[in-house]
Amino acid sequence: EDQVTQSPEALRLQEGESSSLNCSYTVSGLRGLFWYRQDPGKGPEFLFTLYSAGEEKEKERLKATLTKKESFLHITAPKPEDSATYLCAVRYYGGSQGNLIFGKGTKLSVKP
Amino acid sequence: EAGVTQFPSHSVIEKGQTVTLRCDPISGHDNLYWYRRVMGKEIKFLLHFVKESKQDESGMPNNRFLAERTGGTYSTLKVQPAELEDSGVYFCASSQKTTGRYGYGYTFGSGTRLTVV
Repeated sequence: EDQVTQSPEALRLQEGESSSLNCSYTVSGLRGLFWYRQDPGKGPEFLFTLYSAGEEKEKERLKATLTKKESFLHITAPKPEDSATYLCAVRYYGGSQGNLIFGKGTKLSVKP
Repeated sequence: EAGVTQFPSHSVIEKGQTVTLRCDPISGHDNLYWYRRVMGKEIKFLLHFVKESKQDESGMPNNRFLAERTGGTYSTLKVQPAELEDSGVYFCASSQKTTGRYGYGYTFGSGTRLTVV
């Protein structure tokens, strides 16, 4: 069964304390892995798309990497404004555009 | 540019009633998607429109759900009659490109929180 699992479910960091979020996936064939950020009461906000193992993308304090079985979202020297739920979603072969499989998300809290 | 707009933002209805959710995509976006997040679960795909045509409705739970996109602009999602298990947050998203390396990200609205009591 195609599925996406994110860990940990929740993560508390001190400001400046770097860490990583994990997204492991089991799909028939990967067509793209998406990372989103979601703030309370808002919809998911697009961060990155990754397509193939070894690919990396960066945006400010965030860096996303991809292997054949998982993706990591590395957060370097986080700030309180990075607090949000981070979602991973996968598009797979056999699924139509937009037919994404989402993980449940990791809720990140960054304390000053 | 204006983002994806959804309304109402909240709706509380009784079991058996009808509710219609509306989504206005970003202007010029041919692709429109509906998703749902039930409490404690992950976001799940419901369906995909390309302009006014349903491209994929494999995620629609049952025939109590009806989605339309008249003229290829805004879309509505009607639930009739509503059941308790329909409670959740309904998200709409839109995107412009249909081909390519899928490098674009889908732009989501803020969602409609539906509570069926």
